[in-house]
Amino acid sequence: TQLLKQSPQFLSIQEGENLTVYCNSSSVFSSLQWYRQEPGEGPVLLVTVVTGGEVKKLKRLTFQFGDARKDSSLHITAAQPGDTGLYLCAGGAGNMLTFGGGTRLMVKP
Amino acid sequence: GAVVSQHPSWVICKSGTSVKIECRSLDFQATTMFWYRQFPKQSLMLMATSNEGSKATYEQGVEKDKFLINHASLTLSTLTVTSAHPEDSSFYICSARDLRAGSGSPLHFGNGTRLTVT
Repeated sequence: TQLLKQSPQFLSIQEGENLTVYCNSSSVFSSLQWYRQEPGEGPVLLVTVVTGGEVKKLKRLTFQFGDARKDSSLHITAAQPGDTGLYLCAGGAGNMLTFGGGTRLMVKP
Repeated sequence: GAVVSQHPSWVICKSGTSVKIECRSLDFQATTMFWYRQFPKQSLMLMATSNEGSKATYEQGVEKDKFLINHASLTLSTLTVTSAHPEDSSFYICSARDLRAGSGSPLHFGNGTRLTVT
């Protein structure tokens, strides 16, 4: 079983602050995806990274895939209350997708 | 974009009854669909992989006789929670991958079903 560890589990910050969420594994993944989930809804895909060292930006969100394709990070610049939610990383291997434990982010105005 | 429709969005049932949850891919076909369970403030836990035209593959610890999965067509998978008990109350989410996409391509998720067993 491939395990993905996400940290921190919970994060409460003030609007305007920066934050980084980490997703680590001892296993290599062919791809890594980040999702955001709001209460009562399904996860929504934010980004997919497939190449070691890859960096992708989505407005104020920056995603990085580790060189060895075992870890990833999500950095949010100048967080806003609308960024509040559960952030999930998921590693792809073959047909399977393994989810990390999630990071619950709360951005206070 | 690809849409996965899950129905019902929420359901309340009495202990001992069975509940069926449907997962439909609306604009693509999927040979494989995945069923997850999510407890409050926790991540998604894979329950089973639904395979079109064949038996589902269940994760360790998931009772196949209690959580019946049927994937009769390339656009529909159903999960039936049989003889439901209060401990089965949870948020159930399905996902599907377009069969035309590669095995590492993203999954498309339904909006989940909130099951409450009284």
